[in-house]
Amino acid sequence: NAGVTQTPKFQVLKTGQSMTLQCAQDMNHNSMYWYRQDPGMGLRLIYYSASEGTTDKGEVPNGYNVSRLNKREFSLRLESAAPSQTSVYFCASSEGGSNTEAFFGQGTRLTVV
Amino acid sequence: AQSVTQLDSQVPVFEEAPVELRCNYSSSVSVYLFWYVQYPNQGLQLLLKYLSGSTLVKGINGFEAEFNKSQTSFHLRKPSVHISDTAEYFCAVSGVRGGYQKVTFGTGTKLQVIP
Repeated sequence: NAGVTQTPKFQVLKTGQSMTLQCAQDMNHNSMYWYRQDPGMGLRLIYYSASEGTTDKGEVPNGYNVSRLNKREFSLRLESAAPSQTSVYFCASSEGGSNTEAFFGQGTRLTVV
Repeated sequence: AQSVTQLDSQVPVFEEAPVELRCNYSSSVSVYLFWYVQYPNQGLQLLLKYLSGSTLVKGINGFEAEFNKSQTSFHLRKPSVHISDTAEYFCAVSGVRGGYQKVTFGTGTKLQVIP
């Protein structure tokens, strides 16, 4: 069972470069999420998609864009990377009800130099 | 609004000793509570969850948590820890806001099991 798959696992960018983080889930979940994890700050929601065709901002959306390509895939794009975006990024999915658990990918460790 | 507080950023404990990781939450509506575990260089995985019913919830790997509504707490416990329990643990509260599931995570507690 693949669950939630993220690519790439590691990435180093120069300031100003762009990149897209890919995420796919095979559990037929309605909702998908992008989080960033920084030391001492837990997980902070960047963007979410409650269902196919919808996306909305989370707590820290500045500098990011997302695309819910279909029910399976939810990508995160950094248009012009900044050192402050150095972080570990996690994609997650859930059925969407408030009593449902989230399933996480393995994470992407991004360093912006 | 909902929030989660994990007061302890790190908890060292000797192997085979008991441990309690504290979590307090606030929410204006009914909540569902979760504990997730993150092993080094991995994503988060569910340890246990409280949805309703019995306030004592049992999870994987011998962990349990007790929901206390009056104290707005959901502390995680294990009677005897193993080296393999060394990981970071996140408490989370889930509710519905604006028609979507909103999950708020605590800042995490690193459990270090000492041989």
